[in-house]
Amino acid sequence: GENVEQHPSTLSVQEGDSAVIKCTYSDSASNYFPWYKQELGKGPQLIIDIRSNVGEKKDQRIAVTLNKTAKHFSLHITETQPEDSAVYFCAASLSGGGADGLTFGKGTHLIIQP
Amino acid sequence: EPEVTQTPSHQVTQMGQEVILRCVPISNHLYFYWYRQILGQKVEFLVSFYNNEISEKSEIFDDQFSVERPDGSNFTLKIRSTKLEDSAMYFCASSAQRDNSPLHFGNGTRLTVT
Repeated sequence: GENVEQHPSTLSVQEGDSAVIKCTYSDSASNYFPWYKQELGKGPQLIIDIRSNVGEKKDQRIAVTLNKTAKHFSLHITETQPEDSAVYFCAASLSGGGADGLTFGKGTHLIIQP
Repeated sequence: EPEVTQTPSHQVTQMGQEVILRCVPISNHLYFYWYRQILGQKVEFLVSFYNNEISEKSEIFDDQFSVERPDGSNFTLKIRSTKLEDSAMYFCASSAQRDNSPLHFGNGTRLTVT
C-alpha cells in the first residue's frame, strides 16, 4: 500500500520567515495530495490540495508543489504569522478525493517564534 | 460554514465494553469516513461508507468495528469489545463526492480505554 514520509517532525521559524514541509510517497498511482492543518483539540482542516496533473498551486501565503517523477510534494508558507503555529499533515490518495482512504504523513509541528 | 460534528468529545470506557461514537456529517455530503489517531502518531484510515454500505476498509477495521447510518443525519462507529490499544482520537469525515471532493473532518472523539 501507499506510504507517506514527512519531514521535518518539528520546524521552528521566526515570524515573517518562510516555512517548508516536505513529503514523499511510494505509490506512483497516487494522484491527489492534500495538506491539513490541525490545531490543538481540533480535527484536521484542509488548507490546500493538489492533483497530479498540476505542478504547483498557490493560495495567498500558502503554496504546494508536486514533483511526480521524484514522488515528492512540499508545502510552502510565506510571511509566517503566530496563527500558523499548528501540526501540518500531508496525505496521498489514489482516488482523487480520498474515498479509498487518505494515507497521512506523521505530521510536522510548526512553531512560529515571535 | 457547514461542519462535521462529533459526540461525545471524550469517552472513557472499561476494557471489554462496547462504545458507540457518533457523527453528524455535512448535510449534503454522500461519503462518510472514520479515521483514528493514536497519541503522537499519524492519522489512519479506518473505513469509508456510501449508500448505506462500506465502500473501503483498512486492516485496522476488523470484526470488532462496525459502522451504521441509522437515520438521515447520523453516522456511527461501534467498537464491540474495546481493548486498551483502541485508545485514540477518532475522527469522522465526510465528502460531497467520491472523487475530486475534499474531506471535511470533525473535531474528534477522544476514546480512553482503561
